[in-house]
Amino acid sequence: RKEVEQDPGPFNVPEGATVAFNCTYSNSASQSFFWYRQDCRKEPKLLMSVYSSGNEDGRFTAQLNRASQYISLLIRDSKLSDSATYLCAVFYTGGFKTIFGAGTRLFVKA
Amino acid sequence: DVKVTQSSRYLVKRTGEKVFLECVQDMDHENMFWYRQDPGLGLRLIYFSYDVKMKEKGDIPEGYSVSREKKERFSLILESASTNQTSMYLCASREQGGRGGYTFGSGTRLTVV
Repeated sequence: RKEVEQDPGPFNVPEGATVAFNCTYSNSASQSFFWYRQDCRKEPKLLMSVYSSGNEDGRFTAQLNRASQYISLLIRDSKLSDSATYLCAVFYTGGFKTIFGAGTRLFVKA
Repeated sequence: DVKVTQSSRYLVKRTGEKVFLECVQDMDHENMFWYRQDPGLGLRLIYFSYDVKMKEKGDIPEGYSVSREKKERFSLILESASTNQTSMYLCASREQGGRGGYTFGSGTRLTVV
């Protein structure tokens, strides 16, 4: 089993739709959680950190469920410009490294 | 904003060549990382460094080495390039002890022929 797993998609949604991605992790000692966005042929860029209480940044909401060991990303009112691959990432101090999921591809269509 | 700069965007090398990939960051970050990214496999950690002259193997260190002589610079070395090392290589940095994520360089797409 992979340490961090994501549904690869692709998710094809119309503009204005709400879409949600989940990401599961296997190491219960995981400390910090992140979502990255990666455009085609570009580097990943940090979208948002994920906190236990959940956090929101405009149309994006991230949540953490430690009991079930998953994080989620919700995108409301999808825009064409949201089309990208979304990577979840999990950091745990014991391993001193961040493990990335393989990414979920999102296509937003007009 | 932190800037992470990778020396080359595209490289083509021959099998058996020694290849150097350079990465420089400008925000005095202690931690630096080298990943490779391949379709269907995602990002895989090759090596990381948590301080000058310190290095640790990641998940796939075979065929690679690294050098960190200065805090701002972290070099990845392919000792004898092989075709299975054709990939996108991404350097990243992160503040020591910080809760923030990584800042990545723009990547080097290496093709070994």
